[in-house]
Amino acid sequence: NAGVTQTPKFQVLKTGQSMTLQCAQDMNHNSMYWYRQDPGMGLRLIYYSASEGTTDKGEVPNGYNVSRLNKREFSLRLESAAPSQTSVYFCASSEVYGGEYFSTDTQYFGPGTRLTVL
Amino acid sequence: DAKTTQPPSMDCAEGRAANLPCNHSTISGNEYVYWYRQIHSQGPQYIIHGLKNNETNEMASLIITEDRKSSTLILPHATLRDTAVYYCIVGLGQNFVFGPGTRLSVLP
Repeated sequence: NAGVTQTPKFQVLKTGQSMTLQCAQDMNHNSMYWYRQDPGMGLRLIYYSASEGTTDKGEVPNGYNVSRLNKREFSLRLESAAPSQTSVYFCASSEVYGGEYFSTDTQYFGPGTRLTVL
Repeated sequence: DAKTTQPPSMDCAEGRAANLPCNHSTISGNEYVYWYRQIHSQGPQYIIHGLKNNETNEMASLIITEDRKSSTLILPHATLRDTAVYYCIVGLGQNFVFGPGTRLSVLP
């Protein structure tokens, strides 16, 4: 049971290059998330997917696209990388329990991808 | 989601209890309090969550005040491995806001 896995672990890009960060979970969770963490800061939500086939913008979606390929996999694409996208990217998954008013959401995180854009 | 306020840093002696406070005065009636920690630059790790009752698991205890405007995470016997940044989050899920957290240093 690997939990949440991310590839690659490290990546260096030149400005304008594109790449896709991969994330997979084996916990059969419905919800998946992409966050970024800049040095000395907390995590900021880029996009999330509440269920297979749906995606929604988070706090900082500009410059990114996502694909929920199936229930297990959620990818993040940078079409034209910029130095401002240098960061550590974390993927997470969760199962949301509860109803419309009360719900709990315990997120499990992957090890992260360290991206540098030159 | 409601905002939280945490002290930027705290020290704790190894073997003693670490008590990490969090203020969340604008919490809504259906929002849970969650605690996560991040050791060095690893992915955040879930610790515990609660609504209004105190909660305990194998890692920690969570004490929520009766008015739910603040809470305390308690690590009963801190070890050097507990040195990390601790995040207090209040929300309904799906769109958590991670603030800067509290950097806990456990000292030998």
